[in-house]
Amino acid sequence: GNSVTQMEGPVTLSEEAFLTINCTYTATGYPSLFWYVQYPGEGLQLLLKATKADDKGSNKGFEATYRKETTSFHLEKGSVQVSDSAVYFCALSDYNTDKLIFGTGTRLQVFP
Amino acid sequence: GAVVSQHPSWVICKSGTSVKIECRSLDFQATTMFWYRQFPKQSLMLMATSNEGSKATYEQGVEKDKFLINHASLTLSTLTVTSAHPEDSSFYICSAATDEKLFFGSGTQLSVL
Repeated sequence: GNSVTQMEGPVTLSEEAFLTINCTYTATGYPSLFWYVQYPGEGLQLLLKATKADDKGSNKGFEATYRKETTSFHLEKGSVQVSDSAVYFCALSDYNTDKLIFGTGTRLQVFP
Repeated sequence: GAVVSQHPSWVICKSGTSVKIECRSLDFQATTMFWYRQFPKQSLMLMATSNEGSKATYEQGVEKDKFLINHASLTLSTLTVTSAHPEDSSFYICSAATDEKLFFGSGTQLSVL
């Protein structure tokens, strides 16, 4: 069945460091891929998405490229800030049902 | 942006009691709401999909008699965990759909003693 695997956290970085959070997926068909972010005390928010191979989603300095050949959608940011501290969820939408399938979430902690 | 309010944010209860979790869309009407749960170090898993005025659709392996979902209005869905047991301790999250977008509540951490 469809699934999403993302790296375990927490990821701990200093401010202005480069961030990568790995996400790989298993799916039939051509799913859309998403990154959601959950800030402390808030609900999950869509951060970015990509709907087809080689698409790059970007928002707030974050980027992720839909790589069909490696079935990956890694999240990157060139210079993280303390305010980026949150839990990041990778997800795909099932091609047949449109339901969202999530990874386990990765907690990012950025220190000044 | 659209806001989904989920209450309570955490709850501790004794084994055998029932717990109700509310999910409200504050500034939009949601014909469809979703309930998820996440056990420690596991993925966020869809439990059920509820449409206003009709019975919820449960995912495989989710007991509909244990997890009662009521979606009585376009702005409110409730999840009641009946006769809760320690293995029901989990993080529960709701989401509401509008205009092909999903908005999530902040989640409820349930601990059953």
